[in-house]
Amino acid sequence: DSGVTQTPKHLITATGQRVTLRCSPRSGDLSVYWYQQSLDQGLQFLIQYYNGEERAKGNILERFSAQQFPDLHSELNLSSLELGDSALYFCASSVGLTSGSGRVYYEQYFGPGTRLTVT
Amino acid sequence: GESVGLHLPTLSVQEGDNSIINCAYSNSASDYFIWYKQESGKGPQFIIDIRSNMDKRQGQRVTVLLNKTVKHLSLQIAATQPGDSAVYFCAENIPGNQFYFGTGTSLTVIP
Repeated sequence: DSGVTQTPKHLITATGQRVTLRCSPRSGDLSVYWYQQSLDQGLQFLIQYYNGEERAKGNILERFSAQQFPDLHSELNLSSLELGDSALYFCASSVGLTSGSGRVYYEQYFGPGTRLTVT
Repeated sequence: GESVGLHLPTLSVQEGDNSIINCAYSNSASDYFIWYKQESGKGPQFIIDIRSNMDKRQGQRVTVLLNKTVKHLSLQIAATQPGDSAVYFCAENIPGNQFYFGTGTSLTVIP
């Protein structure tokens, strides 16, 4: 158990609908990352939040948005869903470890994922 | 995006043998790497990481080797057990940038 929790575990919805995925990071972790994993694809980075602020954006569609709340949990909102949005969605959290050179290393720990099926 | 690829998509080993899983990365600026294990229906599990100032790091039954000259890293699993059966993938990180993940190698341990 990584300490990262995600709900729901499974979600089945129809095209055109909107869903919200929820993630709670490990205790003490300020960063939250969202990833999409489609069949036969590697993990695709969507977005990162750090202490409530958006830190980095990856291949996130305009129909998708996210936010991180003051208690550090995060939500990923997916709207106008299409069949191609069916995938596993993972959240990861990390704490930054600063080396002597000042480089910050982010050990990412993943949650169990939400399997989204769009029909 | 960046390319992080694996040399072998599938690997079968006998229980008790050692396993070696390889990963090539494309960006010479990457200085931090993580190996993950993903079992069916579960989230990726952190196995071991290595920074670019090292060429070897050992954990419990696992060793990661980093060759920056040829931009290659490998994960060695000693005395492979059936519970090691999973997909393994590497991730590379450039300072200030996101992680890039490979598609994975499926390891099957034959009892």
